[in-house]
Amino acid sequence: KAGVTQTPRYLIKTRGQQVTLSCSPISGHRSVSWYQQTPGQGLQFLFEYFSETQRNKGNFPGRFSGRQFSNSRSEMNVSTLELGDSALYLCASSLGDGGNTIYFGEGSWLTVV
Amino acid sequence: AQSVTQLGSHVSVSEGALVLLRCNYSSSVPPYLFWYVQYPNQGLQLLLKYTSAATLVKGINGFEAEFKKSETSFHLTKPSAHMSDAAEYFCAVRGSGGGADGLTFGKGTHLIIQP
Repeated sequence: KAGVTQTPRYLIKTRGQQVTLSCSPISGHRSVSWYQQTPGQGLQFLFEYFSETQRNKGNFPGRFSGRQFSNSRSEMNVSTLELGDSALYLCASSLGDGGNTIYFGEGSWLTVV
Repeated sequence: AQSVTQLGSHVSVSEGALVLLRCNYSSSVPPYLFWYVQYPNQGLQLLLKYTSAATLVKGINGFEAEFKKSETSFHLTKPSAHMSDAAEYFCAVRGSGGGADGLTFGKGTHLIIQP
Protein backbone atom coordinates (compact mmCIF):
# COMPACT_ATOMS: atom_id res chain seq x y z
CA LYS A 1 0.00 0.00 0.00
CA ALA A 2 1.57 3.28 -1.09
CA GLY A 3 2.15 5.91 1.56
CA VAL A 4 1.51 9.63 1.49
CA THR A 5 3.24 11.12 -1.53
CA GLN A 6 4.32 14.72 -1.72
CA THR A 7 5.68 16.64 -4.70
CA PRO A 8 7.97 18.33 -5.25
CA ARG A 9 10.43 17.24 -2.60
CA TYR A 10 12.66 20.30 -2.91
CA LEU A 11 12.11 23.71 -4.39
CA ILE A 12 13.58 27.19 -4.29
CA LYS A 13 11.43 30.27 -4.80
CA THR A 14 12.03 34.01 -4.76
CA ARG A 15 10.34 36.40 -2.36
CA GLY A 16 7.01 37.57 -3.71
CA GLN A 17 6.40 34.48 -5.81
CA GLN A 18 3.80 31.87 -5.10
CA VAL A 19 4.15 28.13 -4.71
CA THR A 20 1.86 25.13 -4.96
CA LEU A 21 2.61 21.87 -3.19
CA SER A 22 0.85 18.63 -3.94
CA CYS A 23 -0.11 15.68 -1.78
CA SER A 24 -1.58 12.28 -2.61
CA PRO A 25 -2.99 10.55 0.47
CA ILE A 26 -3.02 6.87 1.24
CA SER A 27 -5.70 5.11 -0.77
CA GLY A 28 -9.03 5.24 1.05
CA HIS A 29 -8.08 8.14 3.30
CA ARG A 30 -10.45 11.08 3.05
CA SER A 31 -8.72 13.41 5.50
CA VAL A 32 -5.66 15.37 4.46
CA SER A 33 -3.91 17.83 6.73
CA TRP A 34 -0.88 20.08 6.27
CA TYR A 35 1.83 21.10 8.72
CA GLN A 36 4.72 23.51 8.61
CA GLN A 37 7.98 22.60 10.31
CA THR A 38 10.64 25.19 11.06
CA PRO A 39 13.57 25.16 13.51
CA GLY A 40 12.14 28.11 15.41
CA GLN A 41 8.43 27.31 15.58
CA GLY A 42 8.54 23.55 15.35
CA LEU A 43 5.59 21.67 13.86
CA GLN A 44 2.49 23.75 13.33
CA PHE A 45 -0.91 22.76 11.98
CA LEU A 46 -1.97 24.62 8.84
CA PHE A 47 -5.34 23.14 7.86
CA GLU A 48 -7.31 19.94 7.44
CA TYR A 49 -9.59 18.85 4.61
CA PHE A 50 -12.15 16.10 4.58
CA SER A 51 -14.22 15.22 1.54
CA GLU A 52 -13.20 18.42 -0.23
CA THR A 53 -14.20 20.66 2.71
CA GLN A 54 -11.85 22.50 5.01
CA ARG A 55 -12.83 21.40 8.51
CA ASN A 56 -10.22 23.21 10.52
CA LYS A 57 -7.52 25.81 10.15
CA GLY A 58 -4.48 26.76 12.16
CA ASN A 59 -3.24 30.23 12.95
CA PHE A 60 -1.65 31.19 9.65
CA PRO A 61 -2.24 34.22 7.42
CA GLY A 62 -4.54 34.07 4.45
CA ARG A 63 -1.54 33.74 2.12
CA PHE A 64 -1.66 30.07 3.03
CA SER A 65 -4.51 28.24 1.36
CA GLY A 66 -5.39 24.77 0.29
CA ARG A 67 -7.92 22.63 -1.43
CA GLN A 68 -8.88 19.02 -1.79
CA PHE A 69 -10.10 17.28 -4.89
CA SER A 70 -12.75 14.60 -5.28
CA ASN A 71 -10.06 11.90 -5.34
CA SER A 72 -8.80 13.19 -1.94
CA ARG A 73 -5.60 14.57 -3.40
CA SER A 74 -4.74 17.94 -1.93
CA GLU A 75 -2.77 21.01 -2.81
CA MET A 76 -1.59 23.86 -0.67
CA ASN A 77 -0.66 27.26 -2.00
CA VAL A 78 1.42 30.01 -0.49
CA SER A 79 1.20 33.37 -2.19
CA THR A 80 3.51 36.38 -1.89
CA LEU A 81 6.29 34.29 -0.40
CA GLU A 82 8.34 35.67 2.47
CA LEU A 83 11.74 34.53 3.70
CA GLY A 84 10.07 33.20 6.83
CA ASP A 85 8.03 30.77 4.76
CA SER A 86 11.15 28.67 4.24
CA ALA A 87 10.25 25.39 5.89
CA LEU A 88 9.48 21.73 5.53
CA TYR A 89 5.83 21.34 4.60
CA LEU A 90 4.37 18.02 5.66
CA CYS A 91 1.20 16.49 4.38
CA ALA A 92 -0.62 13.83 6.39
CA SER A 93 -3.60 11.63 5.73
CA SER A 94 -6.00 9.58 7.82
CA LEU A 95 -9.43 8.01 7.67
CA GLY A 96 -10.83 11.11 9.33
CA ASP A 97 -11.82 10.32 12.91
CA GLY A 98 -9.91 11.77 15.86
CA GLY A 99 -8.35 8.53 17.01
CA ASN A 100 -7.29 7.37 13.60
CA THR A 101 -3.61 7.11 12.88
CA ILE A 102 -2.27 10.07 10.96
CA TYR A 103 0.33 9.12 8.38
CA PHE A 104 2.86 11.65 7.17
CA GLY A 105 4.60 12.08 3.87
CA GLU A 106 8.28 12.82 3.39
CA GLY A 107 7.60 16.52 3.06
CA SER A 108 8.37 19.30 0.64
CA TRP A 109 11.38 21.44 1.43
CA LEU A 110 10.73 25.05 0.46
CA THR A 111 13.51 27.60 0.43
CA VAL A 112 12.61 31.24 -0.19
CA VAL A 113 15.49 33.48 -1.30
CA ALA B 1 -6.50 24.96 24.07
CA GLN B 2 -4.20 21.99 23.99
CA SER B 3 -0.49 22.03 24.61
CA VAL B 4 2.38 19.57 24.86
CA THR B 5 5.58 19.96 26.83
CA GLN B 6 8.56 17.74 26.15
CA LEU B 7 11.16 18.00 28.88
CA GLY B 8 14.66 18.08 27.51
CA SER B 9 15.41 19.21 23.98
CA HIS B 10 18.34 16.77 23.95
CA VAL B 11 18.66 13.44 25.73
CA SER B 12 21.82 11.36 25.60
CA VAL B 13 21.98 7.71 26.63
CA SER B 14 24.48 4.92 26.18
CA GLU B 15 23.77 2.07 23.83
CA GLY B 16 21.94 -0.62 25.77
CA ALA B 17 20.68 1.79 28.42
CA LEU B 18 17.08 2.72 29.19
CA VAL B 19 15.53 5.43 27.05
CA LEU B 20 13.04 7.77 28.76
CA LEU B 21 11.56 10.71 26.85
CA ARG B 22 9.14 12.84 28.81
CA CYS B 23 5.88 14.31 27.58
CA ASN B 24 3.23 16.22 29.51
CA TYR B 25 0.06 17.49 27.93
CA SER B 26 -2.80 19.78 28.75
CA SER B 27 -6.17 19.25 27.24
CA SER B 28 -9.67 20.26 28.21
CA VAL B 29 -11.04 16.93 27.02
CA PRO B 30 -9.70 13.39 27.16
CA PRO B 31 -7.13 13.42 24.41
CA TYR B 32 -5.63 11.20 21.83
CA LEU B 33 -1.86 11.06 22.28
CA PHE B 34 0.83 10.14 19.81
CA TRP B 35 4.57 9.69 19.64
CA TYR B 36 6.30 10.21 16.30
CA VAL B 37 9.94 9.79 15.28
CA GLN B 38 11.69 11.80 12.60
CA TYR B 39 14.97 10.76 11.03
CA PRO B 40 17.09 13.36 9.22
CA ASN B 41 15.51 14.67 6.02
CA GLN B 42 12.44 12.47 6.43
CA GLY B 43 8.83 12.83 7.42
CA LEU B 44 7.26 11.66 10.66
CA GLN B 45 6.77 8.00 11.48
CA LEU B 46 4.23 6.93 14.08
CA LEU B 47 5.72 5.02 17.01
CA LEU B 48 2.54 4.52 19.01
CA LYS B 49 -0.75 6.13 19.97
CA TYR B 50 -3.14 6.24 22.92
CA THR B 51 -6.86 6.33 22.19
CA SER B 52 -8.41 5.58 25.60
CA ALA B 53 -8.02 1.82 25.47
CA ALA B 54 -5.14 0.32 27.48
CA THR B 55 -3.08 2.88 29.37
CA LEU B 56 0.16 1.07 28.54
CA VAL B 57 0.68 1.28 24.82
CA LYS B 58 3.22 -0.75 22.90
CA GLY B 59 4.62 0.55 19.66
CA ILE B 60 7.15 -0.28 17.02
CA ASN B 61 10.88 -0.84 17.51
CA GLY B 62 10.45 -1.84 21.16
CA PHE B 63 9.04 1.48 22.34
CA GLU B 64 6.15 1.82 24.74
CA ALA B 65 4.40 4.63 26.59
CA GLU B 66 2.12 4.85 29.59
CA PHE B 67 -0.81 7.23 29.80
CA LYS B 68 -1.16 8.67 33.31
CA LYS B 69 -4.19 10.89 33.58
CA SER B 70 -3.40 12.03 37.13
CA GLU B 71 -0.01 13.27 36.00
CA THR B 72 -1.15 14.36 32.50
CA SER B 73 1.85 12.49 31.18
CA PHE B 74 2.61 10.17 28.30
CA HIS B 75 6.30 9.32 28.65
CA LEU B 76 8.04 7.19 26.04
CA THR B 77 10.39 4.40 27.08
CA LYS B 78 12.55 1.70 25.58
CA PRO B 79 14.42 -0.79 27.78
CA SER B 80 17.60 -0.93 25.71
CA ALA B 81 18.75 1.81 23.35
CA HIS B 82 20.16 0.97 19.94
CA MET B 83 22.30 3.18 17.75
CA SER B 84 19.51 3.24 15.17
CA ASP B 85 17.22 4.97 17.72
CA ALA B 86 19.12 8.23 17.30
CA ALA B 87 16.53 10.64 15.91
CA GLU B 88 14.11 13.43 16.80
CA TYR B 89 11.05 12.38 18.79
CA PHE B 90 7.80 14.31 18.94
CA CYS B 91 4.89 13.92 21.31
CA ALA B 92 1.54 15.14 19.99
CA VAL B 93 -1.99 15.56 21.30
CA ARG B 94 -5.29 15.70 19.52
CA GLY B 95 -8.63 16.50 21.10
CA SER B 96 -11.29 13.85 21.08
CA GLY B 97 -13.78 16.31 19.65
CA GLY B 98 -13.45 14.95 16.17
CA GLY B 99 -11.14 14.25 13.31
CA ALA B 100 -10.93 17.88 12.27
CA ASP B 101 -8.58 18.76 15.09
CA GLY B 102 -5.00 19.09 14.02
CA LEU B 103 -2.19 17.59 16.01
CA THR B 104 -0.52 19.85 18.56
CA PHE B 105 3.14 18.90 18.79
CA GLY B 106 5.75 19.35 21.44
CA LYS B 107 9.05 20.99 20.54
CA GLY B 108 10.73 17.64 20.11
CA THR B 109 13.52 15.76 21.86
CA HIS B 110 16.72 14.90 20.05
CA LEU B 111 17.84 11.47 21.20
CA ILE B 112 21.59 10.86 21.09
CA ILE B 113 22.95 7.36 21.52
CA GLN B 114 26.49 7.07 22.84
CA PRO B 115 28.45 3.97 21.76
